[in-house]
Amino acid sequence: DAGVIQSPRHEVTEMGQEVTLRCKPISGHDYLFWYRQTMMRGLELLIYFNNNVPIDDSGMPEDRFSAKMPNASFSTLKIQPSEPRDSAVYFCASSPWWREGDGEQFFGPGTRLTVL
Amino acid sequence: KQEVTQIPAALSVPEGENLVLNCSFTDSAIYNLQWFRQDPGKGLTSLLLIQSSQREQTSGRLNASLDKSSGRSTLYIAASQPGDSATYLCAVSNDYKLSFGAGTTVTVRA
Repeated sequence: DAGVIQSPRHEVTEMGQEVTLRCKPISGHDYLFWYRQTMMRGLELLIYFNNNVPIDDSGMPEDRFSAKMPNASFSTLKIQPSEPRDSAVYFCASSPWWREGDGEQFFGPGTRLTVL
Repeated sequence: KQEVTQIPAALSVPEGENLVLNCSFTDSAIYNLQWFRQDPGKGLTSLLLIQSSQREQTSGRLNASLDKSSGRSTLYIAASQPGDSATYLCAVSNDYKLSFGAGTTVTVRA
């Protein structure tokens, strides 16, 4: 298996623009997670899905952030409008089993976002 | 809220020396603990996963121990090599979430 695939790997945009990050989970994994990593706050969970349904979005920082999972093999994280403080590395992870947190997560290579 | 602490923040050792990385967590009601490796500009690679019922897990030169009651885990890397240079993160699973430490950045000098 190719592992979790994320695109783009790097994104540079200007403040106010819309940014869309993409993720393809490992085939057969029913859980998908979006994380953000910054120097100040480390790795933080933004949202996770089970069978394409959002389960916990309490980590999404503002209404400017939205995430969708239209099918089992694709998810997007959108920021509109983007701000410089959104600059971070965004990771997608998937898991074959999570339910109460009793599984293992597999991470993608991340998207490094820079908002000027 | 689960707090995960990793000490030291950075470590530099000569090649061949054994590495000892520490992780502590505040809420002992965890399902499991994972150790990850992160190379600069790269994603997270899972190294070891220890279930809450286990005391340790081994893979090659890596050995991780877990003392759930005291909220501690230690990752041992035997006979370190320059290729072991990376940031090592521990993460604990509870309350439906994975909570990460800030990581220990390891440099192995040739």
